[in-house]
Amino acid sequence: QKEVEQNSGPLSVPEGAIASLNCTYSDRGSQSFFWYRQYSGKSPELIMSIYSNGDKEDGRFTAQLNKASQYVSLLIRDSQPSDSATYLCAAQDYGQNFVFGPGTRLSVLP
Amino acid sequence: EAQVTQNPRYLITVTGKKLTVTCSQNMNHEYMSWYRQDPGLGLRQIYYSMNVEVTDKGDVPEGYKVSRKEKRNFPLILESPSPNQTSLYFCASSFTTYRGLQLFFGPGTRLTVL
Repeated sequence: QKEVEQNSGPLSVPEGAIASLNCTYSDRGSQSFFWYRQYSGKSPELIMSIYSNGDKEDGRFTAQLNKASQYVSLLIRDSQPSDSATYLCAAQDYGQNFVFGPGTRLSVLP
Repeated sequence: EAQVTQNPRYLITVTGKKLTVTCSQNMNHEYMSWYRQDPGLGLRQIYYSMNVEVTDKGDVPEGYKVSRKEKRNFPLILESPSPNQTSLYFCASSFTTYRGLQLFFGPGTRLTVL
């Protein structure tokens, strides 16, 4: 069974700090990786995608991928209270099979 | 406005009473899929469709049916709902690219089966 694992949290960080969210995946055939943000009672929304080893930066967000370690992370710099949400990691293989992790709840404290 | 719509948003029903949750997208996406979300289990894929008349099982297809007669619509059918199908359901759609899928989610349907 293909799995994506995340620490469920909650992860609490003070406003302005860096939040670090981590994810591991079991299927070495996974090719594309995604981070979704989900506010309570809302649907997930895509915030980052990453396909190659290394870092990808977009504004305050940086995604990191290490395929050898089967590890994906998301860094949020200058965390804001509005970043408080559940962050879902997802992995996709060539066959369009999309597997989500259970999510990490992030709380940014003012 | 580009969007994925689902109806109904909330539904309370009883065991065994057939129901359909509709999903429609206006982005001309080839790919559509259904997920259920349960506490501690995250999003689990029920069925997906790569294009019209092409559907395939996800991780938890038992008790569900789907059809894809038109590109924009992908209804989820529960022929005989049971209490263990009480969940939050999301429909999603995407273009298919060599980089994979970039899912756009609908607002969700909260289903309670008594």
